[in-house]
Amino acid sequence: QKEVEQDPGPLSVPEGAIVSLNCTYSNSAFQYFMWYRQYSRKGPELLMYTYSSGNKEDGRFTAQVDKSSKYISLFIRDSQPSDSATYLCAMSPAGTASKLTFGTGTRLQVTL
Amino acid sequence: GAVVSQHPSRVICKSGTSVKIECRSLDFQATTMFWYRQFPKQSLMLMATSNEGSKATYEQGVEKDKFLINHASLTLSTLTVTSAHPEDSSFYICSASGTPENSPLHFGNGTRLTVT
Repeated sequence: QKEVEQDPGPLSVPEGAIVSLNCTYSNSAFQYFMWYRQYSRKGPELLMYTYSSGNKEDGRFTAQVDKSSKYISLFIRDSQPSDSATYLCAMSPAGTASKLTFGTGTRLQVTL
Repeated sequence: GAVVSQHPSRVICKSGTSVKIECRSLDFQATTMFWYRQFPKQSLMLMATSNEGSKATYEQGVEKDKFLINHASLTLSTLTVTSAHPEDSSFYICSASGTPENSPLHFGNGTRLTVT
């Protein structure tokens, strides 16, 4: 069993839809949770990070962490075609700048 | 914001040759750099962690003699794939951590290596 599970998709939604992306994990030591966006042939770009359980909002993006269920989510409101990319969750027990364990990424396609 | 530059973006080499990939932090001092490998439709897999001025720490299963990592300064780390083989063809990505401590990692744009 992988430490971090993420549905690879692809997930196709119409423009303006609310997108829900999720990851589950098995390592209870994970304390830091990050979401990265990766466009084709590019490096990952950090979107949001949270520490421990709770919610965090930044513009159209909301990250949720439920440590009791070992489940994290990223919500994208009013999705745009420019949001089309692969979204990777990443986790660490020791901080956002330390060794990260990534999910496989979910490919999102926002259509006009 | 913080920028990590990786060069080259693409390289094609013949089997048996060596390839060097550079990773630079452009506007901050990177005390720690990480090297990842990503196969198509798969996750980023950490290969090694390098701290400036010390030997890199390799993940289990990664051959340190094949993937040579040098982190000689606070702004530059290099990964050399020695005696490359077709199975080494992959997308290699570096990331860097600087100050303040625990700042989120910033990633380079990756290097697509193709070994023929």
